[in-house]
Amino acid sequence: ETGVTQTPRHLVMGMTNKKSLKCEQHLGHNAMYWYKQSAKKPLELMFVYSLEERVENNSVPSRFSPECPNSSHLFLHLHTLQPEDSALYLCASSGRDSPSYEQYFGPGTRLTVT
Amino acid sequence: GIQVEQSPPDLILQEGANSTLRCNFSDSVNNLQWFHQNPWGQLINLFYIPSGTKQNGRLSATTVATERYSLLYISSSQTTDSGVYFCAVEDWHGNKLVFGAGTILRVKS
Repeated sequence: ETGVTQTPRHLVMGMTNKKSLKCEQHLGHNAMYWYKQSAKKPLELMFVYSLEERVENNSVPSRFSPECPNSSHLFLHLHTLQPEDSALYLCASSGRDSPSYEQYFGPGTRLTVT
Repeated sequence: GIQVEQSPPDLILQEGANSTLRCNFSDSVNNLQWFHQNPWGQLINLFYIPSGTKQNGRLSATTVATERYSLLYISSSQTTDSGVYFCAVEDWHGNKLVFGAGTILRVKS
């Protein structure tokens, strides 16, 4: 248990569906991240929120839409995805104003797009 | 951007053996982390080690920041050590952990 939770843990969706992934951190951190892990590829950073403002958007297609309503919650809204978007989506959090920038990860959502 | 290379890509050990995993990076860092990813995908923090040496049980890590590499030592390996080990670094521009491709470790009983 890392203090970062994600729901759902597994998701199967069609290309025309709309769904959302949820992440919650209980560590008092002020930065949150979405990463994508595809088969046989390194983890890729998608989005960074620091103090609830997006500070990094790593050239992610607009069919992925992040939302950070407060420092404890992060969402990833999905619509009209493609089969190649099937992957493990990982959320992380860290404290950006502390001496340590250590990131802690949630268990991930395994997404399959059919 | 900063580059991260891990070696070896794959490693098979007999239970009880020791091993060293290496992480090379291309620029100065203010964050370096080692993770173990279990079969269910969970990334488990092993070390936060931008410089120096740390030990935690059978695991230890050393980062030589001036020479831009880090080493993860696993002693007396167990089958539960199997999985993928990732090194990740963040440069001084901040905001972004860059991951290496990982080392796949298999420990046989």
